[in-house]
Amino acid sequence: QKEVEQDPGPLSVPEGAIVSLNCTYSNSAFQYFMWYRQYSRKGPELLMYTYSSGNKEDGRFTAQVDKSSKYISLFIRDSQPSDSATYLCAMSGEGSGNTGKLIFGQGTTLQVKP
Amino acid sequence: NAGVTQTPKFQVLKTGQSMTLQCAQDMNHEYMSWYRQDPGMGLRLIHYSVGAGITDQGEVPNGYNVSRSTTEDFPLRLLSAAPSQTSVYFCASSYAIPGLEQFFGPGTRLTVL
Repeated sequence: QKEVEQDPGPLSVPEGAIVSLNCTYSNSAFQYFMWYRQYSRKGPELLMYTYSSGNKEDGRFTAQVDKSSKYISLFIRDSQPSDSATYLCAMSGEGSGNTGKLIFGQGTTLQVKP
Repeated sequence: NAGVTQTPKFQVLKTGQSMTLQCAQDMNHEYMSWYRQDPGMGLRLIHYSVGAGITDQGEVPNGYNVSRSTTEDFPLRLLSAAPSQTSVYFCASSYAIPGLEQFFGPGTRLTVL
């Protein structure tokens, strides 16, 4: 079993839709939870991160962490064609020896159609 | 700042050949790492370094060597290329440990025939 599971999609939505992207994990020691966005043939870039449980909002993006369920989510409101990309969740924490090692999910490919 | 740079962008090797993938950053980051990205597998950590002179293995280190003689550079060496090493390789760096925000390079697409 992989430490981090993420549905690869693809996920196709109409412009303006609310998008929900999710990851589950098995290592209860994870404390840092991140979402990276990767455009085609580019390197990933950090979108948001949260520490421990709770919500974090940044513009149209909201990240949620539920440590009791070992489940994290990224919501995108009013989705735009420019949001079309692969979204990767990543996690780190004391379980990784606090060395900054990130464990990534497989990534979910999102397409927002005009 | 150029950020994280990687060379080459593309490379084709024959089985058994060796090569070095170059990675450099100009942000004075202590933490650097190498990942490979394969379809359906996400990003997997190959090797990482928490500072000059210090390296350690990640999830998939076999067949790869690294060294860190300077803060800026973190080359990845393929000792004897195999078709299973066909992948896209990303180098990343970050300022803090744990590296919450890792800055990724543009990647190197490697094909091993």
